[in-house]
Amino acid sequence: QKEVEQDPGPLSVPEGAIVSLNCTYSNSAFQYFMWYRQYSRKGPELLMYTYSSGNKEDGRFTAQVDKSSKYISLFIRDSQPSDSATYLCAMSTGGFKTIFGAGTRLFVKA
Amino acid sequence: EAGVTQSPTHLIKTRGQQATLRCSPISGHTSVYWYQQALGLGLQFLLWYDEGEERNRGNFPPRFSGRQFPNYSSELNVNALELEDSALYLCASSAYRGENTEAFFGQGTRLTVV
Repeated sequence: QKEVEQDPGPLSVPEGAIVSLNCTYSNSAFQYFMWYRQYSRKGPELLMYTYSSGNKEDGRFTAQVDKSSKYISLFIRDSQPSDSATYLCAMSTGGFKTIFGAGTRLFVKA
Repeated sequence: EAGVTQSPTHLIKTRGQQATLRCSPISGHTSVYWYQQALGLGLQFLLWYDEGEERNRGNFPPRFSGRQFPNYSSELNVNALELEDSALYLCASSAYRGENTEAFFGQGTRLTVV
């Protein structure tokens, strides 16, 4: 079993839809939870960063962490074609080692 | 402020050859991390350099090696290339020594082994 599981998709939605992206994990020691966005032929860029449990909102993006269920989510409201990318979840106990999910490919159709 | 830069963007090598990939971190960042992103496998941790020293390495054979220079730029060397080494190699830097929860990535080097 992988430490972090993420559905690779692809996920295709119409413009304006609410997108839900999810990851599950097995290591209860993870304390830091991140979401990265990666456009084609580019490196990942940090989108959201959350410490421990709870919600965090930044514009159209909301990150949720449920440590009791070992489940994290990223919601994108009013999705735009420019949101089409691969979204990677990532987790860490702190320190140098961050574990990444395989990424979910998202397509937002105009 | 310049971000993390990597060179070359693309590299094509023949099986058995050696590849050298380069990375310049964000100014002021002393930690550099290397990752391999193979299709469908996500980012796999390769190496961590800080203050010129290799601090940790992932589960990769010794033919993956590198170094960090006094200006904190870094080089990844892959010897005796195999077909399965074909991947996107990403470099990241962090402002926090030994902690890469907020890492900044370069655009990557696409290595193709034929």
